Amino acid sequence: AQSVTQPDIHITVSEGASLELRCNYSYGATPYLFWYVQSPGQGLQLLLKYFSGDTLVQGIKGFEAEFKRSQSSFNLRKPSVHWSDAAEYFCAVAPNTDKLIFGTGTRLQVFP
Amino acid sequence: NAGVTQTPKFQVLKTGQSMTLQCAQDMNHEYMSWYRQDPGMGLRLIHYSVGAGITDQGEVPNGYNVSRSTTEDFPLRLLSAAPSQTSVYFCASTGRETQYFGPGTRLLVL
Repeated sequence: AQSVTQPDIHITVSEGASLELRCNYSYGATPYLFWYVQSPGQGLQLLLKYFSGDTLVQGIKGFEAEFKRSQSSFNLRKPSVHWSDAAEYFCAVAPNTDKLIFGTGTRLQVFP
Repeated sequence: NAGVTQTPKFQVLKTGQSMTLQCAQDMNHEYMSWYRQDPGMGLRLIHYSVGAGITDQGEVPNGYNVSRSTTEDFPLRLLSAAPSQTSVYFCASTGRETQYFGPGTRLLVL
């Protein structure tokens, strides 16, 4: 069955520190992969997506993610976190751009 | 261009009551979907539609009905609300290889 695992429920970092949010997926073929961010009380905003090609994907707000087929992973990274990055982050997998299967999310807290 | 809009933003229901959550998009997207978000469970797909007149079930469809009479609108109906349906509901539409989400409806069933 298709699934997404985000092993870290809650991460705390200091402002200016680097960030890596983990995402592992289970899927029979190469899926479409997404990272979304949700600020408190808001809807979801797409950060980046991977369909094919270059395995390092650049997104908005300075985020990037790397697809590693051998590890079934799609980790999200940012070299220097800003206080405004505090939010919940969701990884998602899908056979196409529809019917997304979401992970349970990682809540990011940023200390000044 | 408003994107995906949802009404109401917040609703309180009593067990057994019915209601309709409204969703509209002005991007002329064919594919629309409804998710519910519960703590520690991420978002789960309730129903989806690939175009006007065509709907299908997602992962957690029980207790919900949908219809799609126009491209723009995709309402979600709760026929007899239960406390287990207390959740935040998100509508989304897909275009340009991206799902666009509405702001959500927070539903409390007492």
